[in-house]
Formats: sequence, C-alpha cells, structure tokens
Amino acid sequence: GAVVSQHPSRVICKSGTSVKIECRSLDFQATTMFWYRQFPKKSLMLMATSNEGSKATYEQGVEKDKFLINHASLTLSTLTVTSAHPEDSSFYICSAPDPGQTYGYTFGSGTRLTVV
Amino acid sequence: GQSLEQPSEVTAVEGAIVQMNCTYQTSGFYGLSWYQQHDGGAPTFLSYNALDGLEETGRFSSFLSRSDSYGYLLLQELQMKDSASYFCALDTGRRALTFGSGTRLQVQP
Repeated sequence: GAVVSQHPSRVICKSGTSVKIECRSLDFQATTMFWYRQFPKKSLMLMATSNEGSKATYEQGVEKDKFLINHASLTLSTLTVTSAHPEDSSFYICSAPDPGQTYGYTFGSGTRLTVV
Repeated sequence: GQSLEQPSEVTAVEGAIVQMNCTYQTSGFYGLSWYQQHDGGAPTFLSYNALDGLEETGRFSSFLSRSDSYGYLLLQELQMKDSASYFCALDTGRRALTFGSGTRLQVQP
C-alpha cells in the first residue's frame, strides 16, 4: 500500500524552541495531508488539513501561529511547533488518502514530542 | 458536529470472537471506517461501511446500521497480535476522519 514517511519518530526539545516534523508520501502524490494529535490512550484529534500550494485549514481551537503547516510540494508536508511548551507534548500523526484504497487513509508512523 | 462512542476496554481469549461497538451522532456522513493502532504505532485501515450491513475482510467483519446510528467490528479467531486499540471513524466528506474514543482490546492466552 501507499506509504507516508514521518520524521522524526521521537524528539525532545526545550521550552521556547521550535520543532519541525516532516511527512513525505513515498510512492504517490498527496495534494492533501491531515495532521492529528493524540494524547496517551486517547483518540486522534484533527488539527489541520494541509493543502499543496495553498494555506492550511485549521480546526477550531488550534492556533495557526503556533502550529505552522507548510505543504510545499506534492510529496511533502511539514508541521512546525513554534515556541513549544510542555503542554504541547503529544503524539503527532500525519495522514493522506490512500490511492490504493477507495475509502482508506494511510498514516505516518507518528512523532512523539516531549517538551522539557 | 460529530461524536462517536466506544467502550474503553475489551478483554478476550485467544481463538475467541470479539465484537467492538461504536455508536455515533452526526447530521450526515458517507461511511464508517475502522482502524487498528498498536501502542506507539500508526493507525492502519481495516474496513469501511458505506452501506448498511456486513462487510467481511478475512478475520475482520464490520457492520453498520444507519437507522440505529450503530456499528461494530467483529474479530474472529483472535490472536495475541490483535491486542491493540481499535477506532471507529466517520467519513463526513471533509476528507478528514472524525475518530471515536477507541477500544483497547486485550487478548489473553
């Protein structure tokens, strides 16, 4: 199936610094990618929809200036957590519609962010 | 908005059959999906119901009843590797999914 590669898998950063997370579609083009956030033993919450060549669409309550999304090409979307705080510590996962599935989506392996 | 509710935990023994339920509230949707997620891993697509009834894929079956706002995932011949969290998710046509709270399945020997 289609593969989305997400890096880094784990990152620890200091409060106040910024962290960039990358998601690449390896064998297909993704005009749209979705960014989710997941707390331990909780559900995936949609943060934003990333659109190639245009601005991202953020869900209500998600600070667009804090979570910067860039979809510079058909195979790369990035999420930058700016001025990170401990409460930003979470599991971030990207996703894209799987071209091999009529209804399924393929997910990146996730990034465990810890802000200290 | 949409909301989906799932039991938080289910325990079953190896070789058995387990059913995980999902009830939802939405003003409209195209279908109900099911995803499996192992701890620390990515969700993987299991099944999709666009229409009422049963969809079967190997050991996995999924059911949808739009009139009851209800669906379930059925796993047969349980294996230890099936221990994971299972999420139902609504496809509302926005191209992103709205996920349920997830059911953590523990398979015991």
